[in-house]
Amino acid sequence: DVKVTQSSRYLVKRTGEKVFLECVQDMDHENMFWYRQDPGLGLRLIYFSYDVKMKEKGDIPEGYSVSREKKERFSLILESASTNQTSMYLCASTVRGWNEQYFGPGTRLTVT
Amino acid sequence: QKEVEQNSGPLSVPEGAIASLNCTYSDRVSQSFFWYRQYSGKSPELIMSIYSNGDKEDGRFTAQLNKASQYVSLLIRDSQPSDSATYLCAVKFTYNQGGKLIFGQGTELSVKP
Repeated sequence: DVKVTQSSRYLVKRTGEKVFLECVQDMDHENMFWYRQDPGLGLRLIYFSYDVKMKEKGDIPEGYSVSREKKERFSLILESASTNQTSMYLCASTVRGWNEQYFGPGTRLTVT
Repeated sequence: QKEVEQNSGPLSVPEGAIASLNCTYSDRVSQSFFWYRQYSGKSPELIMSIYSNGDKEDGRFTAQLNKASQYVSLLIRDSQPSDSATYLCAVKFTYNQGGKLIFGQGTELSVKP
């Protein structure tokens, strides 16, 4: 079974803090994705990566950056957290050439 | 126009009935289609994928794809209260690189005992 894990289920941070969200997959998947999900807005793609050290902006990259130093790990960084970044953050991965994305459990981030 | 559209619901069906969830998409040239189930507070779980026109059955679930009419549907037979969740439709368009999927907003399904 595909296993995608995220570093925290719940996180509370203060405005202006630098926040790291980590995602690890154990299936040797090339492609990894970060989404945020908000009521009424659905799933929105922040960044994705199709290889180590490669990254592509998604639909809402502003205020975020990513790092992919190893194939199994994809990190999302909030450089200076703001209250409008309070959301559910979801990581997903897929094998190159296939399109079934498998999601981690999610991190519910609250910025106060 | 949104690329992938779903009726937000809620769709309410009695236990044992067939639940029918529909999804339309904007581009005739699309590759792959997926249905995800998401329980409240949880992450999406892949339940069906379909790549060619017609029906694909997996247990109580049937996915139906009609590329000419640009819709994909999910039928849930013998609906159970445990099927109550939000169902997300996702499409891989040919012009999207890197395995990127476009998700619909989701349809909330409620199965009443």
